[in-house]
Amino acid sequence: EDQVTQSPEALRLQEGESSSLNCSYTVSGLRGLFWYRQDPGKGPEFLFTLYSAGEEKEKERLKATLTKKESFLHITAPKPEDSATYLCAVRSNAGGTSYGKLTFGQGTILTVHP
Amino acid sequence: DGGITQSPKYLFRKEGQNVTLSCEQNLNHDAMYWYRQDPGQGLRLIYYSQIVNDFQKGDIAEGYSVSREKKESFPLTVTSAQKNPTAFYLCASSQGSGQPQHFGDGTRLSIL
Repeated sequence: EDQVTQSPEALRLQEGESSSLNCSYTVSGLRGLFWYRQDPGKGPEFLFTLYSAGEEKEKERLKATLTKKESFLHITAPKPEDSATYLCAVRSNAGGTSYGKLTFGQGTILTVHP
Repeated sequence: DGGITQSPKYLFRKEGQNVTLSCEQNLNHDAMYWYRQDPGQGLRLIYYSQIVNDFQKGDIAEGYSVSREKKESFPLTVTSAQKNPTAFYLCASSQGSGQPQHFGDGTRLSIL
């Protein structure tokens, strides 16, 4: 069974204080790791997909990296508007190659204070 | 603008009542999904559909039903058999099963 664990559960930063969020996973054949941002009362917003160890993706102040066991979401010089819950999800070989099921972590709640 | 529309935003269910949550997409996506989100837990898959007139159970399908009569629409019915329906329900779609899933803004269901 696929498992995804995110840490920390909550993170408080001062504006401009860079940090990283962790997503550890156990899957039977990774077919994609996805990062989402979720604002309160809203649906998740897609950020990145990573497919293989060593891959990196960047978007504004966010950078996602991937190893064989975990992914990191690095936040450089965060601003208050980066405050949100960040979700990690994996897609694996479980269920057959045509099945797009995602297994989600419980999320990291990020708060950036001005 | 292309996107996924869920309605209503808030829904209240009485004891013994079935309620239906609407999900419509104009992204021309083949695959659609329903998730349930509870506080402190990850999203859990209820049902998914890869093509019109076909759908499969996810991890927590008991007490729920779906239909997929049109490509754009994937309504979810929460039946009276679902004893703990209070949650935030999210609909998603993707171009193919391997592509990123894009989400609507959810329906919050509560018990009266």
